[in-house]
Amino acid sequence: KAGVTQTPRYLIKTRGQQVTLSCSPISGHRSVSWYQQTPGQGLQFLFEYFSETQRNKGNFPGRFSGRQFSNSRSEMNVSTLELGDSALYLCASSLGGDIQETQYFGPGTRLLVL
Amino acid sequence: AQKITQTQPGMFVQEKEAVTLDCTYDTSDPSYGLFWYKQPSSGEMIFLIYQGSYDQQNATEGRYSLNFQKARKSANLVISASQLGDSAMYFCAMRLLTQGGSEKLVFGKGTKLTVNP
Repeated sequence: KAGVTQTPRYLIKTRGQQVTLSCSPISGHRSVSWYQQTPGQGLQFLFEYFSETQRNKGNFPGRFSGRQFSNSRSEMNVSTLELGDSALYLCASSLGGDIQETQYFGPGTRLLVL
Repeated sequence: AQKITQTQPGMFVQEKEAVTLDCTYDTSDPSYGLFWYKQPSSGEMIFLIYQGSYDQQNATEGRYSLNFQKARKSANLVISASQLGDSAMYFCAMRLLTQGGSEKLVFGKGTKLTVNP
């Protein structure tokens, strides 16, 4: 079974631009979660989607948004990029809904904002 | 508030020896899951082991075992017979089910493990 895939793997943008990151979950998984990892703040939860609905959102500004498609693929968008948005963005998928289920992570997208 | 604490920023171990990475957690929910992930320098988070709050026995997965002490709210990871490839960041995480069935992982700050030859 193929794992979680994320594209692109690396991205360089300038302040003020917007960016869209993509995540394809493991086949059959309906929950996709996004996390931001920075050296200063560590791993922080962004949001979670399940069956095309956002179920939970972390404490991030409205510039961070996402969506999920009917095939469970998910995208996250960051508008008006700031230098502090430079981070590793990880997505994780799971079947969804059971506390015993493991979230499996993709390789991440490294975003650098100049 | 739910929180994971990893007090060891860095740990060193000799190859073939065992090492324990500490993790304590704080939650008032009776139902939760505890996970350990490994993150090599490449960045991908690799699932290692899971322990449920109602599990009576400590979880084991090959060379990984979890020393779960519920009363102390600790979930330490034990790696036996360390290998050079075990050098990586290790994260302890707690999974919570929020209202409406949503889920999220709360992560600790991580421990950087270095295995010396």
